[in-house]
Amino acid sequence: GAGVSQSPSNKVTEKGKDVELRCDPISGHTALYWYRQSLGQGLEFLIYFQGNSAPDKSGLPSDRFSAERTGGSVSTLTIQRTQQEDSAVYLCASSGRLGGQETQYFGPGTRLLVL
Amino acid sequence: RKEVEQDPGPFNVPEGATVAFNCTYSNSASQSFFWYRQDCRKEPKLLMSVYSSGNEDGRFTAQLNRASQYISLLIRDSKLSDSATYLCVVNIRFQKLVFGTGTRLLVSP
Repeated sequence: GAGVSQSPSNKVTEKGKDVELRCDPISGHTALYWYRQSLGQGLEFLIYFQGNSAPDKSGLPSDRFSAERTGGSVSTLTIQRTQQEDSAVYLCASSGRLGGQETQYFGPGTRLLVL
Repeated sequence: RKEVEQDPGPFNVPEGATVAFNCTYSNSASQSFFWYRQDCRKEPKLLMSVYSSGNEDGRFTAQLNRASQYISLLIRDSKLSDSATYLCVVNIRFQKLVFGTGTRLLVSP
């Protein structure tokens, strides 16, 4: 497909379990981002990958959160020992140039519910 | 102070009305600016970039005031389909975008 894809689209898990969320960016986009959006709230930046550079992890809320990007393409966000406050929509975006400016394109998100 | 601030609304307007949203940003070194639109339970989508000289796309006009560090979005002749949350977005560092929490617009018949 031409857009950013994410899987699963929905995930229900029990408190304390680990979860993995996957993002397939648009082909050719070197930058990839993860955001979190809680119900009725704005977007919260989590982590940013750009090419082969060290990722910007400044938004990760705790050491239970980690992400990797293999081969400069697919990314996985892992949440260990999930807590109820981790429940949110996790959005992935990749960026490319539009009219000379870097522009982000979002995936549909993974809705995570921690019981 | 938040890096990007918006009035959360909601703005309730009738069809055909003109409505304007403002957004302020705190970092004077911000490089580029955008408006995104987010429909309920959907991902954000780019509405338009914001250029220093101001730019227009149909019923939508965006303006940037660097001296006062604010961005505006004007929607003319509002349609029911314009009901959504409008996100102000600022590029603080190279390629990393910072999102405001959004302004909710409700257009009624």
